[in-house]
Amino acid sequence: QQQVRQSPQSLTVWEGETAILNCSYENSAFDYFPWYQQFPGEGPALLIAIRSVSDKKEDGRFTIFFNKREKKLSLHITDSQPGDSATYFCAASKNQGGSAKLIFGEGTKLTVSS
Amino acid sequence: EAAVTQSPRNKVTVTGGNVTLSCRQTNSHNYMYWYRQDTGHGLRLIHYSYGAGNLQIGDVPDGYKATRTTQEDFFLLLELASPSQTSLYFCASRWDNQNTLYFGAGTRLSVL
Repeated sequence: QQQVRQSPQSLTVWEGETAILNCSYENSAFDYFPWYQQFPGEGPALLIAIRSVSDKKEDGRFTIFFNKREKKLSLHITDSQPGDSATYFCAASKNQGGSAKLIFGEGTKLTVSS
Repeated sequence: EAAVTQSPRNKVTVTGGNVTLSCRQTNSHNYMYWYRQDTGHGLRLIHYSYGAGNLQIGDVPDGYKATRTTQEDFFLLLELASPSQTSLYFCASRWDNQNTLYFGAGTRLSVL
């Protein structure tokens, strides 16, 4: 079963708008949540990550909001740019380093129109 | 910048064929991974390794073998390829005290 779920599957926003990508998970033992960004023809690359002890992580125009009680998180991209058009994967793991396995969601394909 | 190189970038084979996908990383990472990417499923872990000679089973291992010959090299083997294995395959690596995965550019495999 899919332990990490993302919605929507695809999203289109206008340049300058805020894009909101959603993620939920099932296993309450997950404590590390990275988001990976993937451009066509490339492998995914780490964009931003949060640990379960925090409820918010910000890096420039990218912010993760985390709700441990509801087992949900979201990625907000403010002032969206055409260059942000990519597929975004939410992932989760139980512990840091060691033998931790990352479980990925299905991905959200973001298109930013100008 | 971590470097993970996959080869070939594209491969076409027939049902029942024998395929080997190669991955090399030059960052002295301990962990290496093989994922497959399919629409609607995201990235799913096939096999992974924490060092030369080690192999761990992932979440979707059926029909796949893997071998880690050196710290740098990790191979994925499909001995009797089936159309259901048509997919985009990614190799990734990381240090053992960090969670950041560094991915290669992928191998697109078609099984006819």
